[in-house]
Amino acid sequence: DTEVTQTPKHLVMGMTNKKSLKCEQHMGHRAMYWYKQKAKKPPELMFVYSYEKLSINESVPSRFSPECPNSSLLNLHLHALQPEDSALYLCASSPWSRTTLNTFGSGTRLTVV
Amino acid sequence: TQLLEQSPQFLSIQEGENLTVYCNSSSVFSSLQWYRQEPGEGPVLLVTVVTGGEVKKLKRLTFQFGDARKDSSLHITAAQPGDTGLYLCAGARQAGTALIFGKGTTLSVSS
Repeated sequence: DTEVTQTPKHLVMGMTNKKSLKCEQHMGHRAMYWYKQKAKKPPELMFVYSYEKLSINESVPSRFSPECPNSSLLNLHLHALQPEDSALYLCASSPWSRTTLNTFGSGTRLTVV
Repeated sequence: TQLLEQSPQFLSIQEGENLTVYCNSSSVFSSLQWYRQEPGEGPVLLVTVVTGGEVKKLKRLTFQFGDARKDSSLHITAAQPGDTGLYLCAGARQAGTALIFGKGTTLSVSS
């Protein structure tokens, strides 16, 4: 299994809603990442988890809250988002944090209304 | 300051043409990667180059890493409509640091 699976594929939420994005990999990778990507722009790193511990937080607003329940799962909890948060949210993993061979999921297309 | 300068940003060509995308930096990278992304999908890794001067071929795609490990290029021979997508270069300054992405090249190949 060489995939990173993200759910849901599409999400529309209001500014007062609470929702969660989910990411799963079964490749035994020990580093997992959340990226945000706007149309025709490169992905922007949000968070890095290494061995289930948060190792990088790129000054992301607190309305985004990551969680890594175990080595295969990564969640991104969303609360009180703004319309400008609408984007493609990508999850990625790599064997360990000292390698940059990211395997990306297909992303969740988030629209905040 | 953009650490990885990728050019051109947009490219629209006819089927059968050749093209080159460049990724340049004033900094040395331990490795550089090229990804291709289709709309609504995540980036897919095409190649990783780690050795200065390295050349890798993937069918009609040729990737080169500069001798000083500060730049890379992607050359596509006889482009096809299926090559259409966003091409991203990304590098790591050193092992253990997060990927730095270029701004991407949006390629459109028409038949």
